[in-house]
Amino acid sequence: GDSVTQMEGPVTLSEEAFLTINCTYTATGYPSLFWYVQYPGEGLQLLLKATKADDKGSNKGFEATYRKETTSFHLEKGSVQVSDSAVYFCARSSVNQAGTALIFGKGTTLSVSS
Amino acid sequence: DTAVSQTPKYLVTQMGNDKSIKCEQNLGHDTMYWYKQDSKKFLKIMFSYNNKELIINETVPNRFSPKSPDKAHLNLHINSLELGDSAVYFCASSQGVGGSPDTQYFGPGTRLTVL
Repeated sequence: GDSVTQMEGPVTLSEEAFLTINCTYTATGYPSLFWYVQYPGEGLQLLLKATKADDKGSNKGFEATYRKETTSFHLEKGSVQVSDSAVYFCARSSVNQAGTALIFGKGTTLSVSS
Repeated sequence: DTAVSQTPKYLVTQMGNDKSIKCEQNLGHDTMYWYKQDSKKFLKIMFSYNNKELIINETVPNRFSPKSPDKAHLNLHINSLELGDSAVYFCASSQGVGGSPDTQYFGPGTRLTVL
């Protein structure tokens, strides 16, 4: 069935390191793709999104490109900060239902140390 | 000026009890959702309502009953609570419905603990 697969965590990095969190999806059709972030003790916040192939979403130094040929939407940041420590969720819109539910990956915990 | 709010934030209760979680959005959105996040942080859709009408009902025990008195509110009532119901429940809302994918805005979550 339709799903989202993200790399297993936790990811542990030093401040200013380069970050990549891999995300691939399966879908019948062309879903929109999202990255959400959950800071400790908080709800989910939209980090960035892309709605069609080759779109690049970007926000707060993070970016991800919608790659239809590899069905991927990898999250990258050139230089992480301690404040980026959080759980990151890749998600895709569900195109097979009457509504627009999000299908989430299992989340990747990022821990950045100074 | 909170966009999507939920009450309570924490809920601790005994097995067999009935409890409700409330959700309100002031974004003027037409569609609202309930998601469940388990202990491993996996998020899954439970229900979706559009203009007070149920449009998504995933495989959820019928002990869970959503109610939407108006399009700004979507409450979740849970009967006969079980240990496995312990989770964080997130409410969300989005502008539209149908084939156009929309950004969903999430509430802060309600952490339910069943003892």
